[in-house]
Amino acid sequence: KAGVTQTPRYLIKTRGQQVTLSCSPISGHRSVSWYQQTPGQGLQFLFEYFSETQRNKGNFPGRFSGRQFSNSRSEMNVSTLELGDSALYLCASSGTGDSFFLNTEAFFGQGTRLTVV
Amino acid sequence: QKEVEQDPGPLSVPEGAIVSLNCTYSNSAFQYFMWYRQYSRKGPELLMYTYSSGNKEDGRFTAQVDKSSKYISLFIRDSQPSDSATYLCAMIKPRGNSGNTPLVFGKGTRLSVIA
Repeated sequence: KAGVTQTPRYLIKTRGQQVTLSCSPISGHRSVSWYQQTPGQGLQFLFEYFSETQRNKGNFPGRFSGRQFSNSRSEMNVSTLELGDSALYLCASSGTGDSFFLNTEAFFGQGTRLTVV
Repeated sequence: QKEVEQDPGPLSVPEGAIVSLNCTYSNSAFQYFMWYRQYSRKGPELLMYTYSSGNKEDGRFTAQVDKSSKYISLFIRDSQPSDSATYLCAMIKPRGNSGNTPLVFGKGTRLSVIA
């Protein structure tokens, strides 16, 4: 069974540019969440999508956005990149149904390492 | 005060030692508790999850939850060099029919097991 796939693995961007990251969840999983990991703040929740709808949103500026497609694949976009956006961006998929226990087993991808210069 | 506190370490132990990793939390609404292991340059990997006070064992790993004290622990018996990684606690507040709230993570404890 294939795991969560994130592309690309590494990115270097210049301040002011925008970037799009991609996540393919485990087959059958309908929930995709995005997290930002930095040494200073640890893992922080960005947003969650379930059946193409944003269900939860973290405390990040509007420059961070995302979407989910009908096949559950998800993308996140960061516009007007800042140096502080340099981080490991992690995608997690969970759930094979609309269950109360949907997020108790979340499986993470390897992440996309974004460096803003 | 952060909702979830975890000592970042680093923690260094000899091979074969018993390792104790801990997290405290401030919000009693947290009901589901997880431990993740993250190797360098990899994504977090779910080790264990539990939702009740008490102990849960899985091989060399034991997760312990004390909801009255808002304190969770992960014990690793007979630690191996391959256990060297960052261990992250995470927790969730249930939210009924809307699913659960997102995972809230501790900052992680870096563990080194020395052969």
